[in-house]
Amino acid sequence: AQTIHQWPVAEIKAVGSPLSLGCTIKGKSSPNLYWYWQATGGTLQQLFYSITVGQVESVVQLNLSASRPKDDQFILSTEKLLLSHSGFYLCAWSLEGANSDYTFGSGTRLLVI
Amino acid sequence: GDSVTQTEGQVALSEEDFLTIHCNYSASGYPALFWYVQYPGEGPQFLFRASRDKEKGSSRGFEATYDKGTTSFHLRKASVQESDSAVYYCALGDLTQVVGQLTFGRGTRLQVYA
Repeated sequence: AQTIHQWPVAEIKAVGSPLSLGCTIKGKSSPNLYWYWQATGGTLQQLFYSITVGQVESVVQLNLSASRPKDDQFILSTEKLLLSHSGFYLCAWSLEGANSDYTFGSGTRLLVI
Repeated sequence: GDSVTQTEGQVALSEEDFLTIHCNYSASGYPALFWYVQYPGEGPQFLFRASRDKEKGSSRGFEATYDKGTTSFHLRKASVQESDSAVYYCALGDLTQVVGQLTFGRGTRLQVYA
């Protein structure tokens, strides 16, 4: 069975500090991977997607970057956090094709102060 | 661009009430429609999808029928339970894309009272 694990579960960080969030998918080879951001009480905004190792496409510019260093790993990062980065970050995977459903991780809750 | 509009805000029901959450979409390509459910502190969970006109999706007692004529995919359940309390998202994909880039609606919070 496929599993998706996100880390850390929660972070409190200072404005201007760096950030790195991670996501690992086990049990599925070459999945499509996604990062989503959700403001408190808000909708899900897609940030990045990746269809293969080393290739990441940006959907929305939020002063964040993403990388896929391994087939099963997806990293979201920034060198300088803004207050507006606070929220719930979700990693997801899917099979190839737009008709595939997403499986989301449990998310990382980020508070920037 | 493609968009999804769903019932705004919160829906409050009593147990065994009938549920309808409206979802309408606007898309230029070949849409696939999805429903997801999100419980507090968790990531969204896939409920079901439909990708053809008049196709019905269903799961856990919830159902929705893809209607191309009215560009709708309304979520319904005949008898809700307190455990159904959650946020429900309608989402739109484009079948012409190789990579899923789901566009989510703003979410509808369902609160069911015992």
